Amino acid sequence: DGGITQSPKYLFRKEGQNVTLSCEQNLNHDAMYWYRQDPGQGLRLIYYSQIVNDFQKGDIAEGYSVSREKKESFPLTVTSAQKNPTAFYLCASSRMNQPQHFGDGTRLSIL
Amino acid sequence: QKEVEQDPGPLSVPEGAIVSLNCTYSNSAFQYFMWYRQYSRKGPELLMYTYSSGNKEDGRFTAQVDKSSKYISLFIRDSQPSDSATYLCAMSVTTDSWGKLQFGAGTQVVVTP
Repeated sequence: DGGITQSPKYLFRKEGQNVTLSCEQNLNHDAMYWYRQDPGQGLRLIYYSQIVNDFQKGDIAEGYSVSREKKESFPLTVTSAQKNPTAFYLCASSRMNQPQHFGDGTRLSIL
Repeated sequence: QKEVEQDPGPLSVPEGAIVSLNCTYSNSAFQYFMWYRQYSRKGPELLMYTYSSGNKEDGRFTAQVDKSSKYISLFIRDSQPSDSATYLCAMSVTTDSWGKLQFGAGTQVVVTP
């Protein structure tokens, strides 16, 4: 089945630690995105990539980093510089000029 | 002021009723409008996608766009308990700017048997 796989489903971060969230898609989509979802707020864009080896900052990129070495993969690293990392993180992908489709998210909490 | 406003609810309706959801927006340049359904602890699922003004129907779902009023709606007919979820609206200026989707905060819907 084609889809977007995010792992792990739950993740815990200690103070001062970097953690990496995985996102893989087998839909042959060109574009991939990372969002953060907090209670009572809409999805906020962290980073997006429309082509391999290229990505752009979204509205809340500070404290996050990404890479796009393969078309299928777009991992997100939450660095220790992100002071409020507790949230539900969603990865999405799309063909160019088409709506985005989402994975089932990773919930990140602080220990 | 947020670019996209959406009442958070919860909106509680009896099974079989029509669910009416809406979003208002401030940016008159938005042309592409989407509705997503999100179950608890899951990712959003695309329900409807419309361009510019007008209506679009898909089974029990109808999406309406009124660009003159900067107002979009989603109607769910013959609602079922399985329709209980959070519904998110989203919009974009152009198809070149999918990275710039603006989302509403979502409306929680509860359909009671």
